[in-house]
Parts: sequence; C-alpha cells; structure tokens
Amino acid sequence: GQNIDQPTEMTATEGAIVQINCTYQTSGFNGLFWYQQHAGEAPTFLSYNVLDGLEEKGRFSSFLSRSKGYSYLLLKELQMKDSASYLCAVMENTGFQKLVFGTGTRLLVSP
Amino acid sequence: ETGVTQTPRHLVMGMTNKKSLKCEQHLGHNAMYWYKQSAKKPLELMFVYSLEERVENNSVPSRFSPECPNSSHLFLHLHTLQPEDSALYLCASSQEAQGGTEAFFGQGTRLTVV
Repeated sequence: GQNIDQPTEMTATEGAIVQINCTYQTSGFNGLFWYQQHAGEAPTFLSYNVLDGLEEKGRFSSFLSRSKGYSYLLLKELQMKDSASYLCAVMENTGFQKLVFGTGTRLLVSP
Repeated sequence: ETGVTQTPRHLVMGMTNKKSLKCEQHLGHNAMYWYKQSAKKPLELMFVYSLEERVENNSVPSRFSPECPNSSHLFLHLHTLQPEDSALYLCASSQEAQGGTEAFFGQGTRLTVV
C-alpha cells in the first residue's frame, strides 16, 4: 500500500525560495512525480525522479532519496502565478503502472 | 491543452439519473485512468485500464461503471449516485510500457449530485 505525506499549506513571498517536502512508504516503487494544480484546472507535470539526487528544470528542482522515502520540490524566484497546489505522486508498478497521490500542498505566494 | 479531453466539464444530476462521463486522449497512450478528487482529500485512483483491459478497481461502488472501448476512449457510467459522490472526476493517460512516464490529465468533470 501507499502512504504519502506532505504539508497541507505553505506561504511564501514573491522572489523567495520555498521547499515542499514529501515522504512516502510504498512497494514496487517506480519513480516519484511532482504535479502543479491551479484551482479548477487539471494537474500538470512538473518533474520526475527515479534515481537519487537532484533534477533541475529552470526555477523548479526536485530531489529524491529512495532509502529515506523522501523527496522535495524546490521553487526559486517565486512568482505570484506559482500560487497553486503541488501534488507529490508515487508511481507503483505491480505488473502495471499506477500513480498514487498525496493530499497536495497549497502554496500561497504573497507580494 | 494536454491532449486529454473530458466532457462534459460540469454536470448536475439527480440521484435517480443515469449519465456518462467521456474521456478521449490523442497522445497514442495505452493506459487510461479515472481519478476522483474531493475537497481536502488526495486524488483517489478509481480505475486503471491497460491495453483496454481493466487491471485495477479500487473498491469503487458499483454505481460507477467504467468502459474502455478502445485505447483512445474511456467512459464512466453513473447511476443512482449519492450526494457524497459530488467531486471532480479526472481522466488521465500514460504510456504503460515505458517505466515512469508521466500521466497527462484532462480538465476534469465537476459533478454535483442533488
């Protein structure tokens, strides 16, 4: 089974850096995804980690430690448009793939 | 535009009605999913279809009935729903054969059961 934990809400100011943590317990681990979801919209893909380490993509970076069951999403140079929910999701492969989500972290960026 | 299209975007139905949600993907993927998103709850995986065959049914009540006639289309048939079934229903697709490929989501259908 899956158990994915992330903070419910975070606040930060424009231009700052914020780190959103995610811990998980799973079987058949086949990677960890981060998605962004604005209110009333579909989740959109941000990043994917399957090996330990840091993946950087512009202002967003994601880190994974498989031994610790831990990931974080790092957002730099925050902009107002970054206010959204950030969903941590683990891909489980038990013969077929399925993506299991955490509750999401609502990030509010203020001026 | 994610390549996954859901219709309708909004649906209000009575508890005795029968309706269907439709999902179509134009990405050539071979796996499709239905998720339910309720307020303050994680996205809940309902059904998984891989190569048009249902491979997962996460203890979903029988009032929800999925159908996958081909790899591009997925339906969710609804009948005798309850008010607690009101939620955002999201369809997603991915390429099953390649490990770790991302899932692409449709815009969702906002369902209200009255």
